[in-house]
Amino acid sequence: RKEVEQDPGPFNVPEGATVAFNCTYSNSASQSFFWYRQDCRKEPKLLMSVYSSGNEDGRFTAQLNRASQYISLLIRDSKLSDSATYLCVVNTLSGGYNKLIFGAGTRLAVHP
Amino acid sequence: GAGVSQSPSNKVTEKGKDVELRCDPISGHTALYWYRQSLGQGLEFLIYFQGNSAPDKSGLPSDRFSAERTGGSVSTLTIQRTQQEDSAVYLCASSYRGGTPSTDTQYFGPGTRLTVL
Repeated sequence: RKEVEQDPGPFNVPEGATVAFNCTYSNSASQSFFWYRQDCRKEPKLLMSVYSSGNEDGRFTAQLNRASQYISLLIRDSKLSDSATYLCVVNTLSGGYNKLIFGAGTRLAVHP
Repeated sequence: GAGVSQSPSNKVTEKGKDVELRCDPISGHTALYWYRQSLGQGLEFLIYFQGNSAPDKSGLPSDRFSAERTGGSVSTLTIQRTQQEDSAVYLCASSYRGGTPSTDTQYFGPGTRLTVL
């Protein structure tokens, strides 16, 4: 089983739609969580951190459920510019090191 | 300020040759990471440097892969006797602290696209 699992998509949605991505992680000792965004043939960039209480940044809302080892990202009022791959990332202590484990990503395509 | 830079941006080599990939982290960042991303795949952790501590090499796929970080700054990833399966984008990232269960942001370089013929 992969340490971080995501639905690869693609999610094809019209502009203005609300779309949600889910992610599960296997290591219950994982300590911090993030969503990164990666545009085609570009490097990943941090979108937002994910906190236990849930957090919102404009049209983006992230939720964490530690009991179920589940992370979500909600995008409201989708824009064409939201088209990208969204990477779920988990920071886990392993062998004395903190290590970011990346999911394979969920691809989002927003169309007019 | 300047971000993470990597060179070369593209490298085409023949099977069996050695290659060196370079990463210049953001000035002042103590943690440096190397990842590999094959086409359509997620990021695969390779190695992590934190300050003067021994690096975490647990992600290196074989002994053909090695990396060093000189003076706590620039890092070089070396792949010896390259194979076709080594073809991927090699990404470097740096962060201010790393090594703590914090929300340190990793800043990625643009990557080196390696093609082994």
